[in-house]
Amino acid sequence: EAGVAQSPRYKIIEKRQSVAFWCNPISGHATLYWYQQILGQGPKLLIQFQNNGVVDDSQLPKDRFSAERLKGVDSTLKIQPAKLEDSAVYLCASSLGGSRWQAFNSPLHFGNGTRLTVT
Amino acid sequence: AQSVTQPDIHITVSEGASLELRCNYSYGATPYLFWYVQSPGQGLQLLLKYFSGDTLVQGIKGFEAEFKRSQSSFNLRKPSVHWSDAAEYFCAVGAPSGSARQLTFGSGTQLTVLP
Repeated sequence: EAGVAQSPRYKIIEKRQSVAFWCNPISGHATLYWYQQILGQGPKLLIQFQNNGVVDDSQLPKDRFSAERLKGVDSTLKIQPAKLEDSAVYLCASSLGGSRWQAFNSPLHFGNGTRLTVT
Repeated sequence: AQSVTQPDIHITVSEGASLELRCNYSYGATPYLFWYVQSPGQGLQLLLKYFSGDTLVQGIKGFEAEFKRSQSSFNLRKPSVHWSDAAEYFCAVGAPSGSARQLTFGSGTQLTVLP
C-alpha cells in the first residue's frame, strides 16, 4: 500500500510569512494527525481529525495555525504568520481508527515530514 | 496528564552487542505504551506496543520491551544490535480515556552503532 504522502519536503521562509503543508493519508484511513517535532524533542500532537471533523486541537496555536481536512481525505496545515519558534519538522500520520478503541489499537503510519526553517 | 521520560539522550553500542533503551512514564491508570523508531529524514515506524496481558511484548526487527508497573518503566531491548538499527527511538504513552488519541512522546534516544 502507498504510504502517507507529504509535501513539500523542505521549506524556508522568513518570519511573518505564511506557509502551508499538504498531507495525503493512506487510502481508507479515517483518522489523520498533524504533529510538530522540534529538534531534540519528540513529536507533539497539534490536531487530530476523524474523517473531516476535528477530534482534538487542544495543542494547536489557533492564533497562527489552522488546519482543514476537506472531504475526509487530504489535509492542509497552515501557519500565518510564522515565528522563529515554528522551525520544526511537521509530521502527518494516519490510522484506520474509527471507534475510540480502534483509534488506539490501529498503528499510526507516519509520512516523512516537512522540515520548516523560519529565518 | 501523562508524561514520558527517556533518560538517555544518546547511546553508543558495538554491532552484535546487546541493547537496552530506558523509558519511564507517568500516568494514573494502566497505560497504553509504544516504542517507535525514526530513521534520518523519515517518519516514525511502530516497533511494538503494550495494552494489557503479557508484560513482555515482542516487536518487529527483533526488538522486545517489558512493562514493569512497579517501576513505571517500559524498556526496549534487543539481544544483538545490527548496524541498520542506528536511528532515534521514541517511547510514547497513550491516554485511553479521552475522546481523542492522546499520544505523548518522550524526547527520544539517539542510537549509534559502531562497526
